[in-house]
Amino acid sequence: GENVEQHPSTLSVQEGDSAVIKCTYSDSASNYFPWYKQELGKRPQLIIDIRSNVGEKKDQRIAVTLNKTAKHFSLHITETQPEDSAVYFCAATLSGNTPLVFGKGTRLSVIA
Amino acid sequence: DAGITQSPRHKVTETGTPVTLRCHQTENHRYMYWYRQDPGHGLRLIHYSYGVKDTDKGEVSDGYSVSRSKTEDFLLTLESATSSQTSVYFCAISDFGGRTSEQYFGPGTRLTVT
Repeated sequence: GENVEQHPSTLSVQEGDSAVIKCTYSDSASNYFPWYKQELGKRPQLIIDIRSNVGEKKDQRIAVTLNKTAKHFSLHITETQPEDSAVYFCAATLSGNTPLVFGKGTRLSVIA
Repeated sequence: DAGITQSPRHKVTETGTPVTLRCHQTENHRYMYWYRQDPGHGLRLIHYSYGVKDTDKGEVSDGYSVSRSKTEDFLLTLESATSSQTSVYFCAISDFGGRTSEQYFGPGTRLTVT
Protein backbone atom coordinates (compact mmCIF):
# COMPACT_ATOMS: atom_id res chain seq x y z
CA GLY A 1 0.00 0.00 0.00
CA GLU A 2 0.87 3.66 -0.14
CA ASN A 3 3.31 5.14 2.39
CA VAL A 4 3.86 8.88 2.81
CA GLU A 5 6.89 10.34 4.56
CA GLN A 6 6.88 14.01 5.61
CA HIS A 7 9.80 16.24 6.63
CA PRO A 8 10.63 18.12 8.72
CA SER A 9 8.47 17.30 11.74
CA THR A 10 8.97 20.82 13.11
CA LEU A 11 9.93 24.02 11.37
CA SER A 12 10.51 27.51 12.74
CA VAL A 13 10.86 30.53 10.48
CA GLN A 14 11.02 34.28 10.93
CA GLU A 15 8.00 36.24 9.82
CA GLY A 16 8.38 37.17 6.17
CA ASP A 17 10.66 34.24 5.34
CA SER A 18 9.65 31.25 3.22
CA ALA A 19 8.81 27.78 4.51
CA VAL A 20 9.12 24.51 2.61
CA ILE A 21 7.68 21.16 3.67
CA LYS A 22 8.52 18.02 1.71
CA CYS A 23 6.75 14.70 1.28
CA THR A 24 7.64 11.50 -0.51
CA TYR A 25 5.25 8.74 -1.52
CA SER A 26 5.82 5.12 -2.43
CA ASP A 27 3.06 4.17 -4.89
CA SER A 28 3.83 5.45 -8.37
CA ALA A 29 0.13 5.04 -9.26
CA SER A 30 -0.91 7.77 -6.81
CA ASN A 31 -2.22 10.80 -8.64
CA TYR A 32 -3.85 13.14 -6.12
CA PHE A 33 -1.85 15.05 -3.49
CA PRO A 34 -3.64 17.40 -1.08
CA TRP A 35 -2.25 19.52 1.74
CA TYR A 36 -4.13 20.24 4.95
CA LYS A 37 -3.60 22.90 7.60
CA GLN A 38 -4.66 22.23 11.18
CA GLU A 39 -4.71 25.03 13.71
CA LEU A 40 -4.60 24.20 17.40
CA GLY A 41 -7.84 22.55 18.51
CA LYS A 42 -9.39 22.73 15.05
CA ARG A 43 -10.14 20.30 12.26
CA PRO A 44 -7.73 19.78 9.32
CA GLN A 45 -8.62 22.15 6.47
CA LEU A 46 -7.76 21.54 2.82
CA ILE A 47 -5.56 24.42 1.62
CA ILE A 48 -4.28 23.28 -1.76
CA ASP A 49 -4.05 20.13 -3.85
CA ILE A 50 -2.35 18.96 -7.02
CA ARG A 51 -2.97 16.19 -9.47
CA SER A 52 -0.35 14.19 -11.29
CA ASN A 53 -0.94 15.84 -14.65
CA VAL A 54 0.26 19.16 -13.18
CA GLY A 55 3.79 20.03 -12.01
CA GLU A 56 3.02 23.13 -9.97
CA LYS A 57 0.02 24.93 -8.57
CA LYS A 58 -0.14 28.30 -6.82
CA ASP A 59 -2.72 30.05 -4.68
CA GLN A 60 -1.57 33.44 -3.45
CA ARG A 61 1.28 32.80 -0.97
CA ILE A 62 1.15 29.02 -1.13
CA ALA A 63 2.31 26.70 -3.88
CA VAL A 64 2.73 22.99 -4.32
CA THR A 65 5.18 21.29 -6.64
CA LEU A 66 5.14 17.67 -7.77
CA ASN A 67 7.98 15.55 -9.13
CA LYS A 68 6.44 12.29 -10.31
CA THR A 69 9.75 10.78 -11.34
CA ALA A 70 11.21 11.21 -7.86
CA LYS A 71 7.84 10.60 -6.19
CA HIS A 72 7.94 13.68 -4.03
CA PHE A 73 5.88 16.83 -3.62
CA SER A 74 6.42 19.97 -1.62
CA LEU A 75 4.47 22.82 -0.04
CA HIS A 76 5.95 26.29 -0.31
CA ILE A 77 4.71 29.20 1.78
CA THR A 78 6.14 32.62 0.96
CA GLU A 79 6.10 35.78 3.07
CA THR A 80 5.08 33.80 6.14
CA GLN A 81 2.81 35.42 8.71
CA PRO A 82 2.05 34.47 12.33
CA GLU A 83 -1.33 33.09 11.25
CA ASP A 84 0.49 30.51 9.13
CA SER A 85 1.57 28.83 12.38
CA ALA A 86 -0.15 25.42 12.41
CA VAL A 87 0.41 21.75 11.71
CA TYR A 88 0.50 20.90 8.01
CA PHE A 89 -0.27 17.44 6.63
CA CYS A 90 0.43 16.08 3.18
CA ALA A 91 -1.46 13.13 1.74
CA ALA A 92 -1.54 10.96 -1.35
CA THR A 93 -3.97 8.64 -3.06
CA LEU A 94 -4.98 7.08 -6.31
CA SER A 95 -8.03 9.25 -6.83
CA GLY A 96 -11.19 7.27 -7.05
CA ASN A 97 -12.22 5.00 -4.23
CA THR A 98 -8.88 4.73 -2.43
CA PRO A 99 -8.62 6.56 0.93
CA LEU A 100 -6.00 9.25 1.49
CA VAL A 101 -2.76 8.24 3.21
CA PHE A 102 -1.39 11.04 5.37
CA GLY A 103 2.10 12.05 6.39
CA LYS A 104 2.74 12.50 10.10
CA GLY A 105 2.59 16.28 9.92
CA THR A 106 4.88 19.31 10.23
CA ARG A 107 4.46 21.82 13.02
CA LEU A 108 5.26 25.23 11.55
CA SER A 109 5.98 28.13 13.88
CA VAL A 110 6.28 31.63 12.44
CA ILE A 111 8.17 33.90 14.80
CA ALA A 112 7.23 37.56 14.74
CA ASP B 1 -17.05 24.17 6.39
CA ALA B 2 -18.80 21.28 4.73
CA GLY B 3 -21.97 20.12 6.46
CA ILE B 4 -20.40 17.61 8.83
CA THR B 5 -21.17 17.31 12.51
CA GLN B 6 -19.86 14.91 15.13
CA SER B 7 -21.38 13.93 18.45
CA PRO B 8 -20.50 14.00 21.20
CA ARG B 9 -17.70 16.55 20.93
CA HIS B 10 -16.16 15.46 24.22
CA LYS B 11 -16.52 12.25 26.17
CA VAL B 12 -14.91 10.71 29.21
CA THR B 13 -15.57 7.03 29.78
CA GLU B 14 -14.22 4.17 31.82
CA THR B 15 -12.19 1.22 30.59
CA GLY B 16 -14.40 -1.64 29.45
CA THR B 17 -17.47 0.40 28.61
CA PRO B 18 -18.94 0.59 25.09
CA VAL B 19 -18.79 3.92 23.29
CA THR B 20 -20.45 5.07 20.07
CA LEU B 21 -19.43 8.17 18.15
CA ARG B 22 -21.68 9.62 15.49
CA CYS B 23 -20.84 11.44 12.28
CA HIS B 24 -23.63 13.18 10.38
CA GLN B 25 -23.35 14.86 6.97
CA THR B 26 -25.74 16.96 4.93
CA GLU B 27 -23.69 16.88 1.70
CA ASN B 28 -25.01 13.56 0.39
CA HIS B 29 -21.42 12.42 -0.17
CA ARG B 30 -20.89 8.75 -0.84
CA TYR B 31 -17.67 8.23 1.11
CA MET B 32 -17.25 8.64 4.86
CA TYR B 33 -14.19 7.98 7.02
CA TRP B 34 -13.16 7.68 10.64
CA TYR B 35 -9.64 8.73 11.66
CA ARG B 36 -7.88 8.97 14.96
CA GLN B 37 -5.26 11.59 15.66
CA ASP B 38 -2.50 11.06 18.18
CA PRO B 39 0.71 13.05 18.77
CA GLY B 40 3.50 11.78 16.54
CA HIS B 41 1.19 9.61 14.45
CA GLY B 42 -0.74 12.10 12.37
CA LEU B 43 -4.10 10.99 11.02
CA ARG B 44 -4.65 7.25 10.89
CA LEU B 45 -7.60 5.66 9.13
CA ILE B 46 -9.76 3.39 11.28
CA HIS B 47 -12.61 2.43 8.93
CA TYR B 48 -14.31 3.90 5.94
CA SER B 49 -17.56 3.52 4.05
CA TYR B 50 -18.19 3.72 0.32
CA GLY B 51 -21.96 3.48 0.52
CA VAL B 52 -24.84 2.42 2.72
CA LYS B 53 -23.91 -0.85 4.42
CA ASP B 54 -20.56 -0.91 2.56
CA THR B 55 -17.55 -0.53 4.82
CA ASP B 56 -13.90 -1.49 4.88
CA LYS B 57 -11.05 -1.52 7.38
CA GLY B 58 -8.26 1.00 7.64
CA GLU B 59 -4.79 0.62 9.14
CA VAL B 60 -5.87 0.76 12.82
CA SER B 61 -9.23 -1.03 12.84
CA ASP B 62 -8.64 -3.44 15.75
CA GLY B 63 -11.05 -2.73 18.62
CA TYR B 64 -13.40 -0.65 16.47
CA SER B 65 -16.53 -1.40 14.45
CA VAL B 66 -18.64 0.81 12.21
CA SER B 67 -22.10 0.93 10.73
CA ARG B 68 -23.75 2.97 8.03
CA SER B 69 -27.49 2.42 7.64
CA LYS B 70 -28.14 5.81 5.99
CA THR B 71 -26.11 7.94 3.61
CA GLU B 72 -25.89 10.75 6.13
CA ASP B 73 -24.78 8.82 9.24
CA PHE B 74 -21.61 6.85 10.00
CA LEU B 75 -21.23 5.39 13.47
CA LEU B 76 -17.98 4.33 15.14
CA THR B 77 -18.25 1.92 18.07
CA LEU B 78 -15.65 0.95 20.60
CA GLU B 79 -17.07 -2.30 21.95
CA SER B 80 -14.96 -2.22 25.12
CA ALA B 81 -12.96 0.96 25.46
CA THR B 82 -9.30 0.79 26.47
CA SER B 83 -6.91 3.54 27.56
CA SER B 84 -5.03 3.17 24.25
CA GLN B 85 -8.16 4.42 22.50
CA THR B 86 -7.90 7.80 24.20
CA SER B 87 -7.57 10.08 21.18
CA VAL B 88 -9.18 12.72 19.03
CA TYR B 89 -11.49 11.15 16.46
CA PHE B 90 -12.24 12.88 13.17
CA CYS B 91 -14.90 11.98 10.67
CA ALA B 92 -14.40 12.97 7.04
CA ILE B 93 -16.42 12.85 3.84
CA SER B 94 -15.65 12.87 0.13
CA ASP B 95 -17.44 12.37 -3.13
CA PHE B 96 -15.22 10.34 -5.43
CA GLY B 97 -18.11 9.91 -7.82
CA GLY B 98 -17.42 13.40 -9.06
CA ARG B 99 -14.25 14.84 -10.57
CA THR B 100 -12.86 15.69 -7.22
CA SER B 101 -11.22 13.60 -4.54
CA GLU B 102 -11.42 16.42 -2.01
CA GLN B 103 -11.98 15.26 1.52
CA TYR B 104 -13.48 17.39 4.29
CA PHE B 105 -13.25 16.83 8.02
CA GLY B 106 -15.74 17.17 10.83
CA PRO B 107 -14.94 19.13 14.02
CA GLY B 108 -13.65 16.11 15.93
CA THR B 109 -14.51 14.23 19.13
CA ARG B 110 -12.10 14.17 22.04
CA LEU B 111 -12.41 10.81 23.81
CA THR B 112 -10.74 10.07 27.12
CA VAL B 113 -10.77 6.52 28.49
CA THR B 114 -9.87 6.36 32.19
